[in-house]
Amino acid sequence: QVTLKESGPTLVKPTQTLTLTCTFSGFSLSTTGVAVGWIRQPPGKALECLGVIYWDDDKRYSPSLKSRLTITKDTSKNQVVLTMTNMVPLDTATYYCAHSPPSGFDYYFDSWGQGTLVTVSS
Amino acid sequence: DIQMTQSPSSLSASIGDRVTIVCRASQSIDTSLNWYQQTAGKAPKLLIYGASSLQSGVPSRFSGSGSGTDFTLTISSLQPEDFATYYCQQSYSIITFGQGTRLDIK
Repeated sequence: QVTLKESGPTLVKPTQTLTLTCTFSGFSLSTTGVAVGWIRQPPGKALECLGVIYWDDDKRYSPSLKSRLTITKDTSKNQVVLTMTNMVPLDTATYYCAHSPPSGFDYYFDSWGQGTLVTVSS
Repeated sequence: DIQMTQSPSSLSASIGDRVTIVCRASQSIDTSLNWYQQTAGKAPKLLIYGASSLQSGVPSRFSGSGSGTDFTLTISSLQPEDFATYYCQQSYSIITFGQGTRLDIK
């Protein structure tokens, strides 16, 4: 059974750096074809994929946020870490991590964490 | 980025109705199109992957079709638990989602 859970601060100040950790079980991020994505959702708005890290340590970031994002993995700890710099109030959102199974060239998220609401405010 | 546009943005329907939601890509994405359902306060749930493959455990009243730039999600007979927001997502290039379609009860 695949499970994921996000952890990190619920409140950050403008200009600060956000660090979120996704701790997962039921799969290995060293298995060929597996990926973990970070997706966020501002209150009442649509989903936005921030980035994805793949089993081979390749990473893909949203072009609009690429300069502010870093995603890393620790395979031995079954964790993926998202770092986002220079936070602003518009970054207030629920942040999800999600699992993408091996599926050829198609990547979709079949298991999601519960999400964590991050508020950016002074 | 590949832009994903869903229509309608919202719709009202009744129990038992057949409902279709459309998702259009700004360029061809072959069949790299997935559909999710999200209810209030919950994480999204995968319904359809690869444009037309039903995720395990998802009721057969959900179906997906399309290729290239035009895709549809159809619910053949609405049930009370289907009133939710639906999102399409492409994985042909950097992953992007549609803006969502809110389905509520008439």
